[in-house]
Amino acid sequence: GENVEQHPSTLSVQEGDSAVIKCTYSDSASNYFPWYKQELGKRPQLIIDIRSNVGEKKDQRIAVTLNKTAKHFSLHITETQPEDSAVYFCAAAKPTGNQFYFGTGTSLTVIP
Amino acid sequence: GAGVSQTPSNKVTEKGKYVELRCDPISGHTALYWYRQSLGQGPEFLIYFQGTGAADDSGLPNDRFFAVRPEGSVSTLKIQRTERGDSAVYLCASSFSGGLNTEAFFGQGTRLTVV
Repeated sequence: GENVEQHPSTLSVQEGDSAVIKCTYSDSASNYFPWYKQELGKRPQLIIDIRSNVGEKKDQRIAVTLNKTAKHFSLHITETQPEDSAVYFCAAAKPTGNQFYFGTGTSLTVIP
Repeated sequence: GAGVSQTPSNKVTEKGKYVELRCDPISGHTALYWYRQSLGQGPEFLIYFQGTGAADDSGLPNDRFFAVRPEGSVSTLKIQRTERGDSAVYLCASSFSGGLNTEAFFGQGTRLTVV
């Protein structure tokens, strides 16, 4: 299988500061790593993803980095805003598998 | 529809009863997934359909759980003899091709409470 670990479980930052969430995975065959944002009572929504053929991807204030050797990937949110407050999940998937393996989530609170 | 739709949004049932949870995927999406999310946890895989067939049901916890997708569109997750431990949010997701390099779109989930 695959084991995805996510840290921290909770994170509070001041508005305007950066937030970093880290995930590790166990199976070197995993090659697709999406990040989902889930607001309270709402569905998980994809915010960014990265494939194993690149080391970094950026979309406005959000970036993801991947270190295949160390088997870890991170989500970076810059200039945080109160609307960034949510639970963030990382996930990993293998090309021959049929499922996403999710981390346990990080509850991010941005303090105005 | 515009997105993945799940009904009901909430379901309270008594221990031992049978329940059905419905998922309407995005039109044209051949891949459909069921996940279960317990409080404070990430979604856990239950079953994956590619078209009408269950391509992978390795995540179903036991034989009380069953899912169908008879026409390759709507799917129903069925739970027999419900137990209190089945209480969770059941999420459905769909994607265009099923390849895991394509985005999976989630529904809002059905919150199942077994009392």
